[in-house]
Amino acid sequence: DGGITQSPKYLFRKEGQNVTLSCEQNLNHDAMYWYRQDPGQGLRLIYYSQIVNDFQKGDIAEGYSVSREKKESFPLTVTSAQKNPTAFYLCASSYAGYGYTFGSGTRLTVV
Amino acid sequence: QQQVKQSPQSLIVQKGGISIINCAYENTAFDYFPWYQQFPGKGPALLIAIRPDVSEKKEGRFTISFNKSAKQFSLHIMDSQPGDSATYFCAAILNNAGNNRKLIWGLGTSLAVNP
Repeated sequence: DGGITQSPKYLFRKEGQNVTLSCEQNLNHDAMYWYRQDPGQGLRLIYYSQIVNDFQKGDIAEGYSVSREKKESFPLTVTSAQKNPTAFYLCASSYAGYGYTFGSGTRLTVV
Repeated sequence: QQQVKQSPQSLIVQKGGISIINCAYENTAFDYFPWYQQFPGKGPALLIAIRPDVSEKKEGRFTISFNKSAKQFSLHIMDSQPGDSATYFCAAILNNAGNNRKLIWGLGTSLAVNP
């Protein structure tokens, strides 16, 4: 079945630690996105990539980094510079920028 | 100008009733208006979508009504069921130069359907 796989489902981060969230898609979509979701704030765009080896900052990129070495993969690193990383992180992909398909999310908690 | 304003923030409906969620926008460059449904702990899933040259689109119990002159669109859920309890997001796609499309989200409506 085609879709987006995010892992892990739950992730715990200690203060000062970098963590990487995985996102893999087998939909052959060119564009991939990372969103952060906090209660009452909807979905906020962190980074997006429209082609391999290229990515753009979204609205809240500070404290995050990404890479796009393969079409299928778009990992997100939450760095120690992100002061409030506890949130639900969603990865998505799209064909031609219209129909977005989302993964099931990763819930990151700072301990 | 890139905002999509969604209301209400939360909604409680009795089983069998009609749920109505409204959205408004300013930017006339939006060219596609999708609605997403999100269950707790899951990612949003595309529910139904409409283009601005159409005034209404119906899929099963879900209907989008679109008023281009008023820059408003709404989701109607007929015969609402407890299984419809979820968060609903309206969105709009901005078609920038070079086919660089950007999805603008509403803040979501939490719907609870009482049995």
